[in-house]
Amino acid sequence: KQEVTQIPAALSVPEGENLVLNCSFTDSAIYNLQWFRQDPGKGLTSLLLIQSSQREQTSGRLNASLDKSSGRSTLYIAASQPGDSATYLCAVVDSNYQLIWGAGTKLIIKP
Amino acid sequence: DTEVTQTPKHLVMGMTNKKSLKCEQHMGHRAMYWYKQKAKKPPELMFVYSYEKLSINESVPSRFSPECPNSSLLNLHLHALQPEDSALYLCASSQDGTGRMNTEAFFGQGTRLTVV
Repeated sequence: KQEVTQIPAALSVPEGENLVLNCSFTDSAIYNLQWFRQDPGKGLTSLLLIQSSQREQTSGRLNASLDKSSGRSTLYIAASQPGDSATYLCAVVDSNYQLIWGAGTKLIIKP
Repeated sequence: DTEVTQTPKHLVMGMTNKKSLKCEQHMGHRAMYWYKQKAKKPPELMFVYSYEKLSINESVPSRFSPECPNSSLLNLHLHALQPEDSALYLCASSQDGTGRMNTEAFFGQGTRLTVV
């Protein structure tokens, strides 16, 4: 059974720092991995989608990497800003085409 | 337009009420989804519509009744809900009509439902 873990559960850093959020999954048989952002009480915003054949995707200050063999993905945020404060969720599409979610990392960027 | 629009944003209903949640997308996506999210938890899949047909029902109680009138619209009809059904209800869509989530999933902003 596929399980997705995100560590740490919460992270607080000063503005301007570069940071890395981690996502790990137990079964390397995935179709893709997607990173989402969720503001309190709001919906989910898709940030980056990495297909299983890809190693990384970039969008602006965000870079996501995928290492299927080790069951890991990272989301790198460069030059963090207070507006980046949110909960970041990763999810994988497993071999049954089910979207399996991590519990999220709550990120706080201090001005 | 990469938007999934949900209405209403907030809904308070009594346990004997009947209400509906609406979801709309104009990206030409052929798979649409309903999720339920409790506070500080990840979303839980409820229903998947693939080419306007219900393809997955994750053992959701019958007091939740989905409907897909056309390829752009998805409704969730609510009747005789319980207080524990209070949650954020999220609609999503993806291009792959099989509902297999092979392509990027786009989510709406959700409807915050409170059952009193």
